[in-house]
Amino acid sequence: NAGVTQTPKFRILKIGQSMTLQCTQDMNHNYMYWYRQDPGMGLKLIYYSVGAGITDKGEVPNGYNVSRSTTEDFPLRLELAAPSQTSVYFCASSYTGQARETQYFGPGTRLLVL
Amino acid sequence: AQSVAQPEDQVNVAEGNPLTVKCTYSVSGNPYLFWYVQYPNRGLQFLLKYITGDNLVKGSYGFEAEFNKSQTSFHLKKPSALVSDSALYFCAVRVARDNYGQNFVFGPGTRLSVLP
Repeated sequence: NAGVTQTPKFRILKIGQSMTLQCTQDMNHNYMYWYRQDPGMGLKLIYYSVGAGITDKGEVPNGYNVSRSTTEDFPLRLELAAPSQTSVYFCASSYTGQARETQYFGPGTRLLVL
Repeated sequence: AQSVAQPEDQVNVAEGNPLTVKCTYSVSGNPYLFWYVQYPNRGLQFLLKYITGDNLVKGSYGFEAEFNKSQTSFHLKKPSALVSDSALYFCAVRVARDNYGQNFVFGPGTRLSVLP
C-alpha cells in the first residue's frame, strides 16, 4: 500500500491564481481530512469528508473548497490564492471518524503564494 | 474548548541519554491522546496513542508515553535517544464523546535534537 499520497510536493502561486492539491489514499478509508500547518503552529483542520459525496467544514475553511467523488480521492481547491494561504498542507485519512481512530497522513504539499 | 500545550519549542539531548517531550492538555471529558512525529519534508507519522486502560503506552521506535489524568499530561519518553530520533514531535487530543474529525486538536510541536 502506498498509504496517503499528495501532489504536488511544492508549488509557487501568484496572488489570485487558482490550483488544486491532490490527495489519494489506497487504504479504503471512509474519512479524509485536509489540514494546514503554519510555522510554529500545530495543524488546523480545513475540511473533512465522511465518505464519497459528503464533505464538511473544519476550523479554517475560508478560501478553500473540496469535493469527494470517490472513496480514494479528496482534492483541495484554492480559487483565489492569497499570501495568507502560504502554508504546508497535509491530507489524512482514517477508516472511521471515531475519536479513538488513528489518522494517517500524506507527505504534505508546500505552497508559497507571492 | 480543547487545547494542547507543548511547553518546550526545542529539546536537546545527548545520544544514549533518556529523552522526554512534554505535553499537557485541556478538555472537558475523557481524552484520547496521540503522539505523531514529523521528519524533515515528510508527513506526520503515528507513534502511539492512549485510549483507555494502562496509563503507560508503548509505541513505535522504542517510544512510550505516560498518561497522567491528575496532571493532565501525556509526556513522550524514550530510555535511550538516537540521533535518528531528531525530528518534530506533535501531541494531539480528541474528546471521547466526539465522533467527527474536526475535534482533533494538535499542539504546536516540539523540535527534538539528539546530539552525537
